[in-house]
Amino acid sequence: DAKTTQPPSMDCAEGRAANLPCNHSTISGNEYVYWYRQIHSQGPQYIIHGLKNNETNEMASLIITEDRKSSTLILPHATLRDTAVYYCIAFNYGQNFVFGPGTRLSVLP
Amino acid sequence: GAVVSQHPSWVICKSGTSVKIECRSLDFQATTMFWYRQFPKQSLMLMATSNEGSKATYEQGVEKDKFLINHASLTLSTLTVTSAHPEDSSFYICSAREFGTAGNQPQHFGDGTRLSIL
Repeated sequence: DAKTTQPPSMDCAEGRAANLPCNHSTISGNEYVYWYRQIHSQGPQYIIHGLKNNETNEMASLIITEDRKSSTLILPHATLRDTAVYYCIAFNYGQNFVFGPGTRLSVLP
Repeated sequence: GAVVSQHPSWVICKSGTSVKIECRSLDFQATTMFWYRQFPKQSLMLMATSNEGSKATYEQGVEKDKFLINHASLTLSTLTVTSAHPEDSSFYICSAREFGTAGNQPQHFGDGTRLSIL
């Protein structure tokens, strides 16, 4: 399983875009990049995933570099309810989802 | 979207009792379900993987006789913590993956069960 590394914590002002980076330099060609978040005392919530192309949904955008060695999750207009731990996971079928320590995002009023 | 329901959300019981936690996929069939444990200020740790109709696969260091897993149907898996002791107190989270063989299948997580053993 590819190892991902994320900054332990980040702050973001309410209403601004939150850009959360993730490094996955050893990712293999068929491993997807998944993002989840965990709000205190809840189970992880699926946000978005992608393989090569950039992806966007109602929650966020995922930007994957051309060499696939890193990605950025973008929350376009962060709110206080986006305060959570965000996990970046590299995954392919047959593997297990391995959760690292993630990034603790604090959205500040 | 796919929903995983976990019950109960909170359990407090005496040391020595057994506790059963249920995990249901509400709107999809899950041939594979997963059980995680999370201690305070730590990340999720995979305990075991259960496949419908077969024995669960436990991660190294997880006692299979302590944590009994049953996956009797495509929508239900249960975790029983047998003879629970205070050190078993933790946040237990299940997840399920929709049927498929591609990496393009998100896992969906329940809201967790907070287990407190007195």
